[in-house]
Amino acid sequence: GENVEQHPSTLSVQEGDSAVIKCTYSDSASNYFPWYKQELGKRPQLIIDIRSNVGEKKDQRIAVTLNKTAKHFSLHITETQPEDSAVYFCAKNSGGSNYKLTFGKGTLLTVNP
Amino acid sequence: EPEVTQTPSHQVTQMGQEVILRCVPISNHLYFYWYRQILGQKVEFLVSFYNNEISEKSEIFDDQFSVERPDGSNFTLKIRSTKLEDSAMYFCASTREGELFFGEGSRLTVL
Repeated sequence: GENVEQHPSTLSVQEGDSAVIKCTYSDSASNYFPWYKQELGKRPQLIIDIRSNVGEKKDQRIAVTLNKTAKHFSLHITETQPEDSAVYFCAKNSGGSNYKLTFGKGTLLTVNP
Repeated sequence: EPEVTQTPSHQVTQMGQEVILRCVPISNHLYFYWYRQILGQKVEFLVSFYNNEISEKSEIFDDQFSVERPDGSNFTLKIRSTKLEDSAMYFCASTREGELFFGEGSRLTVL
């Protein structure tokens, strides 16, 4: 119940195209789903998150969708730019008060100019 | 903007030596964590700490690892006898009620 499956592991797009990364989980208690961006040698940084009481959240070019019934959530980046190139990690909590996060294996996004 | 700070940024040590990694979480946060990231791999949970005690730990967090909050600001991770496979980036994180804030990380290299 702890694992998060993330796909694809690598994604290469042309500047201006959209990128979609998907994650699935099995723990029904999870109710918080953040996405982190990690540039080479840097810390993971939160870019967007969603809680289980909503199905979609958008922040400028970034959006996240959640299907709690099917237990999957996705990150959508529109109008990609070279500076979007990084490793993106999905994560989920365990549903309790611990706030511990379990991370997916990451997606290396490359945006080609 | 407040942030989690970690020291040292990089430590090189010999196998079998003890290492202490230090973290100062954000001051009004209540939950503290250590995560590990082996180069090129995912971020793995090690331990969570709340109300001055460990609230959860992973299988990775064996008897060689310990955590401590010696005063009101610092949160430390000790590895008693380092192994080659302990080489990784160690991230401290803290939260008040959900969003996890990560420190810049401490890169540990065990030779």
